[in-house]
Amino acid sequence: DGGITQSPKYLFRKEGQNVTLSCEQNLNHDAMYWYRQDPGQGLRLIYYSQIVNDFQKGDIAEGYSVSREKKESFPLTVTSAQKNPTAFYLCASSIQGGDTQYFGPGTRLTVL
Amino acid sequence: AQSVTQLGSHVSVSEGALVLLRCNYSSSVPPYLFWYVQYPNQGLQLLLKYTSAATLVKGINGFEAEFKKSETSFHLTKPSAHMSDAAEYFCAVSGRGNTGKLIFGQGTTLQVKP
Repeated sequence: DGGITQSPKYLFRKEGQNVTLSCEQNLNHDAMYWYRQDPGQGLRLIYYSQIVNDFQKGDIAEGYSVSREKKESFPLTVTSAQKNPTAFYLCASSIQGGDTQYFGPGTRLTVL
Repeated sequence: AQSVTQLGSHVSVSEGALVLLRCNYSSSVPPYLFWYVQYPNQGLQLLLKYTSAATLVKGINGFEAEFKKSETSFHLTKPSAHMSDAAEYFCAVSGRGNTGKLIFGQGTTLQVKP
């Protein structure tokens, strides 16, 4: 089955630690996205990538970093510079930028 | 600049009643519009999308939405609510030909009472 996988589903981290969230897709999509979801605020775009080895900042990129070395993978690192990292993180992909986005199941990050 | 406003953070209906979730958008270019549904602790599932073909768009699970340019609205409806429709619903807008950035509304939680 084609789809988007995110791991782990739940992640706990101590303050001051970096943590990497995984996002993998086997849909052969060129574009991939990372969103952050907080209660009552909808989804906000962190980073997006339209092609391998290229990515752009979204609306709330501070404290996050990404890489896009392979078409199917777009990992997100939450760094210690992110002041309030506890949130639900969603990865999405689309055939190309501007096409319909399809979402993974999400990772819930909690900072202890 | 684009924006989306969903009127009502919580909507409660009885099973079998009409569902109406409101979405208004602002866009300087002809928009693409989307409705997504999210069940607790899950990702978003696409319900339907408007890309300028028919103004009345039919989606999955009996939902439909009508694009009204004069009212800048894209309200989501379903004639008869089912208990399984209880979830959070998001309206989103994307400008055509752009990088694919979606702007989301704040979400509306739909409660269905037996």
